[in-house]
Amino acid sequence: SQTIHQWPATLVQPVGSPLSLECTVEGTSNPNLYWYRQAAGRGLQLLFYSVGIGQISSEVPQNLSASRPQDRQFILSSKKLLLSDSGFYLCAWNRPSETEAFFGQGTRLTVV
Amino acid sequence: ELKVEQNPLFLSMQEGKNYTIYCNYSTTSDRLYWYRQDPGKSLESLFVLLSNGAVKQEGRLMASLDTKARLSTLHITAAVHDLSATYFCAVDITQGAQKLVFGQGTRLTINP
Repeated sequence: SQTIHQWPATLVQPVGSPLSLECTVEGTSNPNLYWYRQAAGRGLQLLFYSVGIGQISSEVPQNLSASRPQDRQFILSSKKLLLSDSGFYLCAWNRPSETEAFFGQGTRLTVV
Repeated sequence: ELKVEQNPLFLSMQEGKNYTIYCNYSTTSDRLYWYRQDPGKSLESLFVLLSNGAVKQEGRLMASLDTKARLSTLHITAAVHDLSATYFCAVDITQGAQKLVFGQGTRLTINP
């Protein structure tokens, strides 16, 4: 069966510090991978998606970047965090031939 | 720009009652998803609706899709406390990789 791992679960970082969130998928190959952000009390916003190694598409201009160094690994990064980067970050995956996406457990990021 | 609007955003109801959550969207799509989110948790897939007129039921929840009206409904029958959560609809506007545009979410509270 397929599983998705996302870490860390919670993170408190000072303004101006770097960020690295990691997501890995097991039990499948060549998945589509996604990073979403959920602000407090709001819906989810798609930040990045990737259809293959090294292929990253950005949906919104922001202070964040994403990378996919391996087939089943997706990393969300920032060089300098802003207060507005606080939120709940969710990684997701789906098979290219299918429509349903599956979400990781999320990382709650608080920038102070 | 695609807009996905849920109604209501907050719903407090008594156990045993019936209610409906509405999800309207502004562009053509024949794929819509419903997710459940418990506080501080990730998203759990509830229903995948892939065609006009699709209806799916699981326990006390039933979801339907009318692509002509650009409307999906999530109906709750004889609500129980365990159904308290935030419910999101998401419209699929896939172009290459899957892109989900989420509604704002409906926070459902069911009182004993």
